[in-house]
Amino acid sequence: QAGLTQPPSVSKALRQTATLTCTGNSNNVGYQGATWLQQHQGHPPKVLFYRNLNRPSGISERFSASRSGNTASLTITGLQPEDEADYYCSTWDISLSAQVFGGGTKLTVL
Amino acid sequence: QVQLQQWGAGLLKPSETLSLTCAVYGGSFNNYFWNWIRQPPGKGLEWIGEITHSGTTNYNPSLKNRVTISVDTSKNQFSLKLTSVTAADTAVYYCARGRDYEYWGQGTLVTVSS
Repeated sequence: QAGLTQPPSVSKALRQTATLTCTGNSNNVGYQGATWLQQHQGHPPKVLFYRNLNRPSGISERFSASRSGNTASLTITGLQPEDEADYYCSTWDISLSAQVFGGGTKLTVL
Repeated sequence: QVQLQQWGAGLLKPSETLSLTCAVYGGSFNNYFWNWIRQPPGKGLEWIGEITHSGTTNYNPSLKNRVTISVDTSKNQFSLKLTSVTAADTAVYYCARGRDYEYWGQGTLVTVSS
Protein backbone atom coordinates (compact mmCIF):
# COMPACT_ATOMS: atom_id res chain seq x y z
CA GLN A 1 0.00 0.00 0.00
CA ALA A 2 1.44 3.36 -1.00
CA GLY A 3 1.89 5.53 2.05
CA LEU A 4 2.76 9.08 2.91
CA THR A 5 6.37 10.11 3.43
CA GLN A 6 7.56 11.53 6.75
CA PRO A 7 11.13 12.02 7.97
CA PRO A 8 11.90 9.25 10.50
CA SER A 9 13.29 11.61 13.09
CA VAL A 10 13.63 15.28 13.99
CA SER A 11 15.63 16.69 16.89
CA LYS A 12 15.29 20.22 18.20
CA ALA A 13 16.31 22.08 21.32
CA LEU A 14 13.96 23.06 24.11
CA ARG A 15 11.92 26.19 23.30
CA GLN A 16 12.87 26.02 19.62
CA THR A 17 10.51 25.42 16.68
CA ALA A 18 10.07 22.13 14.86
CA THR A 19 8.38 21.66 11.50
CA LEU A 20 7.38 18.14 10.50
CA THR A 21 6.44 17.32 6.93
CA CYS A 22 4.17 14.77 5.28
CA THR A 23 4.44 14.30 1.54
CA GLY A 24 1.91 12.50 -0.62
CA ASN A 25 0.45 13.09 -4.05
CA SER A 26 -2.56 14.60 -5.75
CA ASN A 27 -4.69 11.57 -4.83
CA ASN A 28 -4.27 12.00 -1.09
CA VAL A 29 -2.62 15.00 0.60
CA GLY A 30 -3.10 17.18 -2.47
CA TYR A 31 -6.75 16.16 -2.59
CA GLN A 32 -7.85 16.80 0.99
CA GLY A 33 -4.92 17.52 3.28
CA ALA A 34 -3.84 15.36 6.17
CA THR A 35 -4.82 14.53 9.72
CA TRP A 36 -2.01 14.92 12.26
CA LEU A 37 -1.70 12.58 15.22
CA GLN A 38 0.58 12.59 18.26
CA GLN A 39 1.45 9.38 20.06
CA HIS A 40 3.32 9.04 23.32
CA GLN A 41 4.89 5.73 24.14
CA GLY A 42 2.37 3.20 25.37
CA HIS A 43 -0.69 5.31 24.57
CA PRO A 44 -3.17 5.50 21.70
CA PRO A 45 -2.60 8.31 19.22
CA LYS A 46 -4.33 11.66 19.75
CA VAL A 47 -5.54 13.90 16.94
CA LEU A 48 -3.81 17.28 16.75
CA PHE A 49 -5.34 18.57 13.51
CA TYR A 50 -8.12 17.50 11.24
CA ARG A 51 -7.71 17.39 7.46
CA ASN A 52 -9.50 20.74 7.19
CA LEU A 53 -6.73 22.27 9.35
CA ASN A 54 -9.04 22.74 12.33
CA ARG A 55 -7.54 22.08 15.74
CA PRO A 56 -9.64 20.08 18.23
CA SER A 57 -10.43 21.81 21.49
CA GLY A 58 -7.76 21.31 24.10
CA ILE A 59 -4.85 21.23 21.68
CA SER A 60 -2.22 23.86 22.45
CA GLU A 61 -1.93 26.86 20.16
CA ARG A 62 1.77 26.09 19.97
CA PHE A 63 0.73 23.56 17.34
CA SER A 64 -0.20 24.74 13.84
CA ALA A 65 -0.77 22.96 10.55
CA SER A 66 -0.65 23.93 6.90
CA ARG A 67 -0.61 22.44 3.42
CA SER A 68 1.12 23.37 0.20
CA GLY A 69 0.36 21.23 -2.79
CA ASN A 70 1.01 17.60 -1.93
CA THR A 71 2.86 18.34 1.32
CA ALA A 72 1.28 18.88 4.72
CA SER A 73 3.25 20.43 7.56
CA LEU A 74 2.94 20.47 11.34
CA THR A 75 4.77 23.23 13.20
CA ILE A 76 5.39 23.17 16.94
CA THR A 77 6.70 26.35 18.53
CA GLY A 78 8.28 26.76 21.95
CA LEU A 79 9.13 23.07 22.20
CA GLN A 80 8.49 21.49 25.58
CA PRO A 81 9.65 18.15 26.98
CA GLU A 82 6.10 16.77 26.67
CA ASP A 83 6.19 17.37 22.92
CA GLU A 84 8.67 14.51 22.59
CA ALA A 85 6.55 11.88 20.86
CA ASP A 86 5.85 10.15 17.56
CA TYR A 87 3.86 12.15 15.02
CA TYR A 88 1.83 10.60 12.22
CA CYS A 89 -0.07 11.99 9.26
CA SER A 90 -2.93 10.24 7.53
CA THR A 91 -5.57 10.88 4.90
CA TRP A 92 -7.92 9.26 2.38
CA ASP A 93 -6.44 8.21 -0.94
CA ILE A 94 -9.03 8.46 -3.69
CA SER A 95 -7.12 6.21 -6.07
CA LEU A 96 -6.73 3.42 -3.50
CA SER A 97 -10.10 4.00 -1.82
CA ALA A 98 -8.22 3.54 1.43
CA GLN A 99 -6.80 5.51 4.31
CA VAL A 100 -3.02 5.86 4.20
CA PHE A 101 -0.56 6.69 6.94
CA GLY A 102 2.89 8.19 6.97
CA GLY A 103 5.64 6.15 8.58
CA GLY A 104 5.78 8.58 11.49
CA THR A 105 8.35 11.07 12.76
CA LYS A 106 10.00 10.66 16.13
CA LEU A 107 10.48 14.12 17.62
CA THR A 108 13.24 14.47 20.17
CA VAL A 109 13.41 17.59 22.32
CA LEU A 110 16.99 18.16 23.39
CA GLN B 1 -18.25 12.32 26.02
CA VAL B 2 -17.47 9.72 23.39
CA GLN B 3 -15.73 6.54 24.51
CA LEU B 4 -14.62 3.52 22.55
CA GLN B 5 -14.08 0.31 24.47
CA GLN B 6 -12.59 -2.69 22.72
CA TRP B 7 -12.00 -6.31 23.62
CA GLY B 8 -10.96 -9.62 22.16
CA ALA B 9 -8.51 -12.51 22.44
CA GLY B 10 -4.94 -11.44 22.99
CA LEU B 11 -3.06 -14.65 22.19
CA LEU B 12 -3.54 -16.62 19.00
CA LYS B 13 -1.79 -19.48 17.24
CA PRO B 14 -0.77 -19.24 13.59
CA SER B 15 -3.65 -19.91 11.18
CA GLU B 16 -6.30 -18.92 13.74
CA THR B 17 -8.76 -16.07 13.32
CA LEU B 18 -8.34 -12.78 15.15
CA SER B 19 -11.60 -11.38 16.49
CA LEU B 20 -12.06 -7.99 18.15
CA THR B 21 -15.08 -5.87 19.01
CA CYS B 22 -15.36 -2.15 19.70
CA ALA B 23 -18.31 -0.62 21.56
CA VAL B 24 -19.14 3.05 21.15
CA TYR B 25 -20.57 5.04 24.04
CA GLY B 26 -21.86 8.57 23.54
CA GLY B 27 -22.22 10.61 20.39
CA SER B 28 -23.82 9.54 17.15
CA PHE B 29 -23.12 6.11 15.72
CA ASN B 30 -24.73 6.87 12.38
CA ASN B 31 -22.64 9.72 11.05
CA TYR B 32 -19.13 8.34 11.00
CA PHE B 33 -16.74 5.84 9.54
CA TRP B 34 -15.56 3.37 12.18
CA ASN B 35 -11.98 2.23 11.78
CA TRP B 36 -9.63 -0.55 12.77
CA ILE B 37 -5.92 0.35 12.87
CA ARG B 38 -2.96 -1.68 14.05
CA GLN B 39 0.58 -1.02 15.21
CA PRO B 40 3.23 -3.75 15.29
CA PRO B 41 5.64 -3.47 18.23
CA GLY B 42 8.04 -0.59 17.67
CA LYS B 43 6.54 0.27 14.29
CA GLY B 44 4.10 2.71 12.74
CA LEU B 45 0.34 2.75 12.29
CA GLU B 46 -1.39 0.68 9.63
CA TRP B 47 -4.99 1.19 8.58
CA ILE B 48 -6.95 -2.06 8.37
CA GLY B 49 -10.37 -0.87 7.25
CA GLU B 50 -13.54 1.03 8.03
CA ILE B 51 -17.30 0.56 8.17
CA THR B 52 -20.36 2.80 8.31
CA HIS B 53 -23.52 2.21 10.31
CA SER B 54 -25.18 0.95 7.14
CA GLY B 55 -22.46 -1.64 6.60
CA THR B 56 -20.47 0.00 3.82
CA THR B 57 -16.86 -1.14 4.11
CA ASN B 58 -13.45 -0.19 2.76
CA TYR B 59 -10.36 -2.29 3.39
CA ASN B 60 -6.61 -1.96 3.14
CA PRO B 61 -5.80 -3.60 -0.20
CA SER B 62 -2.93 -5.53 1.37
CA LEU B 63 -5.25 -7.16 3.93
CA LYS B 64 -8.47 -7.27 1.99
CA ASN B 65 -8.44 -11.02 1.38
CA ARG B 66 -8.30 -11.82 5.09
CA VAL B 67 -10.34 -9.01 6.72
CA THR B 68 -14.01 -8.67 7.52
CA ILE B 69 -15.42 -5.71 9.42
CA SER B 70 -19.03 -5.89 10.55
CA VAL B 71 -21.41 -3.66 12.48
CA ASP B 72 -24.20 -4.18 15.02
CA THR B 73 -26.16 -0.95 15.16
CA SER B 74 -28.47 -2.28 17.88
CA LYS B 75 -25.50 -2.33 20.25
CA ASN B 76 -23.44 0.51 18.72
CA GLN B 77 -20.62 -1.96 18.13
CA PHE B 78 -18.39 -2.92 15.25
CA SER B 79 -16.10 -5.89 14.92
CA LEU B 80 -12.95 -7.05 13.16
CA LYS B 81 -12.10 -10.53 11.94
CA LEU B 82 -8.71 -11.33 10.45
CA THR B 83 -8.22 -14.86 9.22
CA SER B 84 -5.14 -17.05 8.89
CA VAL B 85 -2.99 -14.96 11.23
CA THR B 86 0.79 -15.25 11.33
CA ALA B 87 3.47 -13.72 13.52
CA ALA B 88 3.42 -10.70 11.20
CA ASP B 89 -0.06 -9.90 12.51
CA THR B 90 1.25 -9.39 16.04
CA ALA B 91 0.36 -5.82 16.91
CA VAL B 92 -1.66 -3.49 19.10
CA TYR B 93 -5.05 -3.18 17.44
CA TYR B 94 -7.07 0.01 17.85
CA CYS B 95 -10.57 1.05 16.94
CA ALA B 96 -11.15 4.72 16.09
CA ARG B 97 -13.93 7.03 15.00
CA GLY B 98 -13.97 8.92 11.73
CA ARG B 99 -11.48 9.52 8.98
CA ASP B 100 -9.85 12.10 11.26
CA TYR B 101 -9.62 9.56 14.10
CA GLU B 102 -11.19 11.87 16.67
CA TYR B 103 -11.59 9.14 19.29
CA TRP B 104 -9.65 5.95 19.94
CA GLY B 105 -10.11 2.75 21.85
CA GLN B 106 -7.58 1.79 24.46
CA GLY B 107 -5.85 -0.72 22.19
CA THR B 108 -5.57 -4.49 22.40
CA LEU B 109 -2.26 -6.30 22.10
CA VAL B 110 -2.70 -9.37 19.94
CA THR B 111 0.20 -11.79 19.91
CA VAL B 112 0.44 -14.60 17.39
CA SER B 113 2.71 -17.36 18.57
CA SER B 114 2.84 -21.12 18.42
